[in-house]
Amino acid sequence: EVQLVESGGGLVQPGGSLRLSCAASGFTFSGYWMSWVRQAPGKGLEWVANIKQDGNEKYYVDSVKGRFTISRDNAKNSLYLQMNSLRAEDTAVYYCARSRGWPLHYFDYWGQGTLVTVSS
Amino acid sequence: QSALTQPASVTGSPGQSITISCTGTSSDVGGYNYVSWYQLYPGKAPKLMIYDVSNRPSGVSNRFSGSKSGNTASLTISGLQAEDEADYYCSSYTSSSTLVVFGGGTKLTVL
Repeated sequence: EVQLVESGGGLVQPGGSLRLSCAASGFTFSGYWMSWVRQAPGKGLEWVANIKQDGNEKYYVDSVKGRFTISRDNAKNSLYLQMNSLRAEDTAVYYCARSRGWPLHYFDYWGQGTLVTVSS
Repeated sequence: QSALTQPASVTGSPGQSITISCTGTSSDVGGYNYVSWYQLYPGKAPKLMIYDVSNRPSGVSNRFSGSKSGNTASLTISGLQAEDEADYYCSSYTSSSTLVVFGGGTKLTVL
């Protein structure tokens, strides 16, 4: 059974940093592109970033470029999102998701999400 | 404001059929057969219901079907059941740097 479990969310002040983690199991993690998708309170879903199987290609939504870094450790079956210079508008539930299709365009498995709140 | 437009809410009765629309542009929905639909329950992992406009993943009920005409995609749920009450989001590949865009979501209520 495919499982994705996020952790690392919490309350952080504007300008602060947070690192999210996603533990994957039930599939060959190193064989898939992975993504982070977020949902702000009362808003729709927004794709944030994705990373190739070997970690050598990464893409970001414009609003987080230069502030967020996606990474992975295939030996630990884990995906990460380092978030720096956080803003109030980054407040959201962050989901880890497995990316599919070529070009990448859908997500076949998701975690339950972890809440990030940016507030003073 | 989301890139794709969905109705905020849809209501149906058990056993009925409902359709949720998802309108985009020729740069996303209309330009590619890469529309997908997700079911969200509060506090739970989102679930893929439809991909590539009309394909159902293994395990998804055949009561769920997808279609597309021009710049508008649709999700139809037939034989509505109480457990179908959830939020539904569409998404599409886009030629912009965003890669994937989502709709604003539709809350389905089963009366």
